[in-house]
Amino acid sequence: DIQMTQSPSSLSASVGDRVTITCRASQSIRSYLNWYQHKPGKAPKLLIFAASSLQSGVPSRFSGSGSGTDFTLTISSLQPEDFATYYCQQSYRPPSITFGQGTRLEIK
Amino acid sequence: EVQLVESGGGLVQPGRSLRLSCAASGFTFDGYAMHWVRQAPGKGLEWVSGISWDITIIDYADSVKGRFTISRDNAKNSLYLQMNSLRPDDTALYYCAKLTDGGPEDYWGQGTLVTVSS
Repeated sequence: DIQMTQSPSSLSASVGDRVTITCRASQSIRSYLNWYQHKPGKAPKLLIFAASSLQSGVPSRFSGSGSGTDFTLTISSLQPEDFATYYCQQSYRPPSITFGQGTRLEIK
Repeated sequence: EVQLVESGGGLVQPGRSLRLSCAASGFTFDGYAMHWVRQAPGKGLEWVSGISWDITIIDYADSVKGRFTISRDNAKNSLYLQMNSLRPDDTALYYCAKLTDGGPEDYWGQGTLVTVSS
């Protein structure tokens, strides 16, 4: 099974900050890496698919990069609505899926 | 409009069974793999099980293997999760989802709550 390790597990930041979350796969997953935002009481929302493709309607301050085993999600300038939990997810061998353990982004 | 509507959750005693259903509409259900994802209270998202569009490939998380069974009925645009030998740590909000397969199509239901307690 492919394991996904996200870091950090939690992060405090201020509005306007640049934030980076990393995700490492236990083996190469090429570019089959996706990023989700999850807020309490709502379904998870896809932000980035295929490592670096921005989902329609997602602000351009969100970006993704990486391939193989190492990936990053960057928020260039945090907005109040960005405080949430973020998950990476690998989809290299569907329908077998793995999520990272999540990064809780909190207001400093 | 895409809709995924889960049902079948509730309070159940440890060791008992429950069957979740998910009714899909607004997209080509029989063209995609489908999944169940759960979130236990205070925990992160956990993928539970997935089934290919043609039912040839099925997989489960180790935590539910041997206890849960995923199935689908493409004629009814429906996904199911049969959960047996339930344990307190199966308590979670269970989401039905069409997850991205490398493209932008990614759909989730609102979830159905399963509580396993005596």
